[in-house]
Amino acid sequence: DTAVSQTPKYLVTQMGNDKSIKCEQNLGHDTMYWYKQDSKKFLKIMFSYNNKELIINETVPNRFSPKSPDKAHLNLHINSLELGDSAVYFCASSLGTRDTGELFFGEGSRLTVL
Amino acid sequence: DAKTTQPNSMESNEEEPVHLPCNHSTISGTDYIHWYRQLPSQGPEYVIHGLTSNVNNRMASLAIAEDRKSSTLILHRATLRDAAVYYCILRDNNQGGKLIFGQGTELSVKP
Repeated sequence: DTAVSQTPKYLVTQMGNDKSIKCEQNLGHDTMYWYKQDSKKFLKIMFSYNNKELIINETVPNRFSPKSPDKAHLNLHINSLELGDSAVYFCASSLGTRDTGELFFGEGSRLTVL
Repeated sequence: DAKTTQPNSMESNEEEPVHLPCNHSTISGTDYIHWYRQLPSQGPEYVIHGLTSNVNNRMASLAIAEDRKSSTLILHRATLRDAAVYYCILRDNNQGGKLIFGQGTELSVKP
């Protein structure tokens, strides 16, 4: 049973399209995150939600809109896709914002914009 | 955001111990030292974390300097499966619990 699962694993699309990536965690965690890993393998945090509330937004373009319907889900919707959006997107979760323990990451969703 | 400095790459032989260093001279009192690794084509995976004292778990050991300005991740017997990028990260609970990843150390393990 996968702790943090993301769908789809691969996504190939044209510039200008709108796409979504879904994330679900079955760990009972309160906090979820989205990270982006670019072609240089640098991992950068994008968003964090705690109990469905946005708590971190790292100056991501507003074409990116996260949505948390409940604390087990954090979806990422991207409008008007650009070439530079091509990357691997990782979802993660943790107990809470103030815990000292680990983050659990999904396996990633590789987005390719043509 | 507190920063960490790690060597870009290291090599090890299988079955030998590996010591991965990390400098974090600007660490604050509330920063926890976390280590994660990322195997090829996978998401980052938690390895170990600590605050002041040395820590051991089934995967590795973490040695923290007395002044906390540096730490070392120790893999006691490297296996081929340990080849990955290892990230040393400072986690400040006052910043929403986020992890700020640096460039990491790419560890290769030779048979």
